Amino acid sequence: QSALTQPASVSGSPGQSITISCTGTSSDVGSYNYVSWYQQHPGNAPKLMISDVIKRPSGVSSRFSGSKSGNTASLTISGLQAEDEADYYCSSYTSNNRWVFGGGTKLTVL
Amino acid sequence: QVQLVQSGAEVKKPGASVKVSCKASGYTFTGYYMHWVRQAPGQGLEWMGWINPNSGGTNYAQKFQGWVTMTRDTSVSTAYMELSSLRADFTALYYCARGGSNYRSPFDYWGQGALVTVSS
Repeated sequence: QSALTQPASVSGSPGQSITISCTGTSSDVGSYNYVSWYQQHPGNAPKLMISDVIKRPSGVSSRFSGSKSGNTASLTISGLQAEDEADYYCSSYTSNNRWVFGGGTKLTVL
Repeated sequence: QVQLVQSGAEVKKPGASVKVSCKASGYTFTGYYMHWVRQAPGQGLEWMGWINPNSGGTNYAQKFQGWVTMTRDTSVSTAYMELSSLRADFTALYYCARGGSNYRSPFDYWGQGALVTVSS
């Protein structure tokens, strides 16, 4: 199972919106609405930000939203804040009841 | 509150084995799948597999089959991940992460990670 494809880095200024893409295949992202996104600050464990493509767990800011089209899922962060600077990973359920992560995207807030 | 507390850092020689524990509290241990995720130094997250704490059933990523064994002890609400025939490239931070009541649910709580260093 190959890793999902994410851009290595994205950046934006405070207040702006950014979108991180996550491209998989018809065996994972394209076939299941079980895509999740995780935020990881340096030295910390990952934190679940989006589940099931579009669901936001309790306590996660409404500035975070998810979507999917075909084999590509996306995470959008609106009203960018300094605290959003972190690594972001997508993950998808796959055939054979397994999971796969994306390579990760480093978000820089300028 | 839900907590996953992992065992401490380990230093092992190539060819040895290591067993990492993940003690759960604050919820019904047998009601939620447990996943294990690896993160090599400076690298991304890599899913290793899951264990169903209720049945003991497991499913490993193809890459780790033959290297990893996931078990659990329901009497102490603890999941274990054992890696055998360690190589230098197994040096990584190993996380346990709680899934849901089925294997399609995402990972909502994570342990603090256990660093395994493989060095001669």
